[in-house]
Amino acid sequence: QQQVKQSPQSLIVQKGGISIINCAYENTAFDYFPWYQQFPGKGPALLIAIRPDVSEKKEGRFTISFNKSAKQFSLHIMDSQPGDSATYFCAASTWAGNNRKLIWGLGTSLAVNP
Amino acid sequence: DAGVTQSPTHLIKTRGQQVTLRCSPKSGHDTVSWYQQALGQGPQFIFQYYEEEERQRGNFPDRFSGHQFPNYSSELNVNALLLGDSALYLCASSAGTGDTGELFFGEGSRLTVL
Repeated sequence: QQQVKQSPQSLIVQKGGISIINCAYENTAFDYFPWYQQFPGKGPALLIAIRPDVSEKKEGRFTISFNKSAKQFSLHIMDSQPGDSATYFCAASTWAGNNRKLIWGLGTSLAVNP
Repeated sequence: DAGVTQSPTHLIKTRGQQVTLRCSPKSGHDTVSWYQQALGQGPQFIFQYYEEEERQRGNFPDRFSGHQFPNYSSELNVNALLLGDSALYLCASSAGTGDTGELFFGEGSRLTVL
């Protein structure tokens, strides 16, 4: 059972455009929502993260929008650049006993055309 | 400040063999998690080590085992290799099992099973 649903699976955007990736979750116990960026042949790297007590977080060209009532969150990449071409994973974290558990989305492959 | 380092970067094995992968966590981190990432898929959680003990385990068979050393480095062992074990194996480190989800990944070990 996929607890974090991510869409679209792939996305093509023109340089300078806005890339939008959406994620939805069911478990209201999730309390931390990170986004990871992965380039081919590399490990994922934390891009930006948000907690459910805020509705938006912005870091440079990257913004997370969070809708707690709808149990949805999204990543917006403004002024998309060819260097942003990568796979993006959303995730959600909660407690599992005494440990934190991280649930991953299936990923979105983003291609930014020059 | 060294990040997460993994070795070897690439290796080829045949079915039935055994493999050991190694990971050194980021400086200051004491928790190591291992993930399997098949081509075009998201990372799948294998297990997590903290204080030299396995703290969490994903849905992987007992053929997958691990170890953490007093210096926090870790090994992943896979016995009786199957073709389906071919994947990128990622090590991620964090500060304690209660960390919210900010994982620092290495670049992975690419295992090919023939």
